[in-house]
Amino acid sequence: AQTVTQSQPEMSVQEAETVTLSCTYDTSESDYYLFWYKQPPSRQMILVIRQEAYKQQNATENRFSVNFQKAAKSFSLKISDSQLGDAAMYFCAYRPLLKLTFGTGTRLTIIP
Amino acid sequence: NAGVTQTPKFQVLKTGQSMTLQCAQDMNHEYMSWYRQDPGMGLRLIHYSVGAGITDQGEVPNGYNVSRSTTEDFPLRLLSAAPSQTSVYFCASSNLAGGPAGELFFGEGSRLTVL
Repeated sequence: AQTVTQSQPEMSVQEAETVTLSCTYDTSESDYYLFWYKQPPSRQMILVIRQEAYKQQNATENRFSVNFQKAAKSFSLKISDSQLGDAAMYFCAYRPLLKLTFGTGTRLTIIP
Repeated sequence: NAGVTQTPKFQVLKTGQSMTLQCAQDMNHEYMSWYRQDPGMGLRLIHYSVGAGITDQGEVPNGYNVSRSTTEDFPLRLLSAAPSQTSVYFCASSNLAGGPAGELFFGEGSRLTVL
């Protein structure tokens, strides 16, 4: 069974600083997608960024970027220039075909 | 656009009661799924469907039933509620044409409490 591990239950960062959230996963598949979802206090799930395993180039979306290490099965999220609106739960997720498997989440606090 | 709509948003049940969580999407998505979210456990897949008449189990299917009679609707049924089913439930859908890259669109969640 595939598993997704987020080893940091909570993280905090000063506003305008950079923070990295960690994620590792276990799979025997060769092609799959990885995602980071954000869940603010409103409870809405919002897609932040996605990465295909076959693409070596790390995905970037504005202030959000990933460090994808396929051999190490690691998929970390870097948030640059942190803003108050970034405060949320962040979930790493893995999807080989249909089923999307989530990690347990990291709660990110932004310190003004 | 409505996107994915879940009802009700809040529900309190007594042990043994039955209820149905409704989920509807207006994006013509083939893939629909139900997750439950519990503190410290992330979101876990309950059931999913790839089209009308086709459903399959996820990671935690026990105690839940689903059916898919139309593309738009994917209700989740609790036949005999138990306190262990107290959770927040999310319905999500995606376009299968995008394959595993397809973004999952989520409803706003339904908070269920079983006493």
